[in-house]
Amino acid sequence: NFMLTQPHSVSESPGKTVTISCTRSSGSIASNYVQWYQQRPGSSPTTVIYEDNQRPSGVPDRFSGSIDSSSNSASLTISGLKTEDEADYYCQSYDSSNRGVFGGGTKLTVL
Amino acid sequence: QMQLVQSGAEVKKTGSSVKVSCKASGYTFTYRYLHWVRQAPGQALEWMGWITPFNGNTNYAQKFQDRVTITRDRSMSTAYMELSSLRSEDTAMYYCASGDAFDIWGQGTMVTVSS
Repeated sequence: NFMLTQPHSVSESPGKTVTISCTRSSGSIASNYVQWYQQRPGSSPTTVIYEDNQRPSGVPDRFSGSIDSSSNSASLTISGLKTEDEADYYCQSYDSSNRGVFGGGTKLTVL
Repeated sequence: QMQLVQSGAEVKKTGSSVKVSCKASGYTFTYRYLHWVRQAPGQALEWMGWITPFNGNTNYAQKFQDRVTITRDRSMSTAYMELSSLRSEDTAMYYCASGDAFDIWGQGTMVTVSS
């Protein structure tokens, strides 16, 4: 099986742009779609990106996703940061047996 | 609207079992995977397994293979997750989530295990 590795924490100022990485330890990042979830304290997660780069309805276009085969990683980019974006973010994918795999999560601080 | 409503918090003794329910509404229950995910206090999300409500097929994380059973009742649009041989490390919030992209989540069920 593989692991998805995320930075433990990132911080940026309101109005700026931040990118959170998610690196797959083995196998190609392009093998299976990557999703991204936002979790605010005390709440259930919500999907902000699915199928690598698709936004669910209701998610602002400030959120975007991509994958990079050269670094075998996925990225979540949030532009025009707002204080409400402060949350934990998790990447997720599936292995070859269709079992779910989550990254370790990244705490985003908007200060 | 599409939603998942889970059963209430549980307090269990070490070595016992817990069964958490997840009732779906607002969509066709049999059309979407139903996943179970847990989160220990201050820790990351951890995938446990899924069921296809249409035919009851299941797929479990290797870590939980021997202790978890996911079932469903199609007539009730409800899925269940039973975890056996509980230990203190199983103290966590347990979530159900629907769809390939986990786009609907339940509110979570807190399970506390103590001796």
